[in-house]
Amino acid sequence: DAGVIQSPRHEVTEMGQEVTLRCKPISGHNSLFWYRQTMMRGLELLIYFNNNVPIDDSGMPEDRFSAKMPNASFSTLKIQPSEPRDSAVYFCASSLIWEGLAGATEQFFGPGTRLTVL
Amino acid sequence: SQQGEEDPQALSIQEGENATMNCSYKTSINNLQWYRQNSGRGLVHLILIRSNEREKHSGRLRVTLDTSKKSSSLLITASRAADTASYFCATDALFSGNTPLVFGKGTRLSVIA
Repeated sequence: DAGVIQSPRHEVTEMGQEVTLRCKPISGHNSLFWYRQTMMRGLELLIYFNNNVPIDDSGMPEDRFSAKMPNASFSTLKIQPSEPRDSAVYFCASSLIWEGLAGATEQFFGPGTRLTVL
Repeated sequence: SQQGEEDPQALSIQEGENATMNCSYKTSINNLQWYRQNSGRGLVHLILIRSNEREKHSGRLRVTLDTSKKSSSLLITASRAADTASYFCATDALFSGNTPLVFGKGTRLSVIA
């Protein structure tokens, strides 16, 4: 089992450029989460999908951020235009949920993408 | 908003000692989870405890949950240098079905050989 795959692992870009982060969840999982981690704010949930449908994007900081999940095996997080304050580690996580379940299930995290915006 | 808050923020112990980390949260939950994060890596799930459970064990890990105090503790016994990492508690929200987790800021544990 390959686990959650994220690419790229590191991204350095200049302010104003578009950045696209990619995630492949674990096969068979039906929930996908995007997080951002910084020293100051800790781990923040940006958006999550159930069965490829965005459920809650209230954590997306601004309209510059957008996320898509065109199918069960792929998701992207895009920042356009990027700013230095977007510098952080971005994690994707996936989990398996089922109808009637009460409570969150175990999440499996990818290795993260370290984004630096100059 | 931050749901879980870990205490202490940092902990340094000698190898072989026990390490105890605490987590407090604000609202009622279905379950509480603990995760570990090694430097430069993603989080790894350690253990899940449901709201109707009071204690759970997994190897050298022991987790307790006190829903009346809205608090949990993670005990690592006979610590090893490899246990050096950040530890996070994460909670969901009661009655929300499949609800996302909210993570605390973590406890940084250093185990000195």
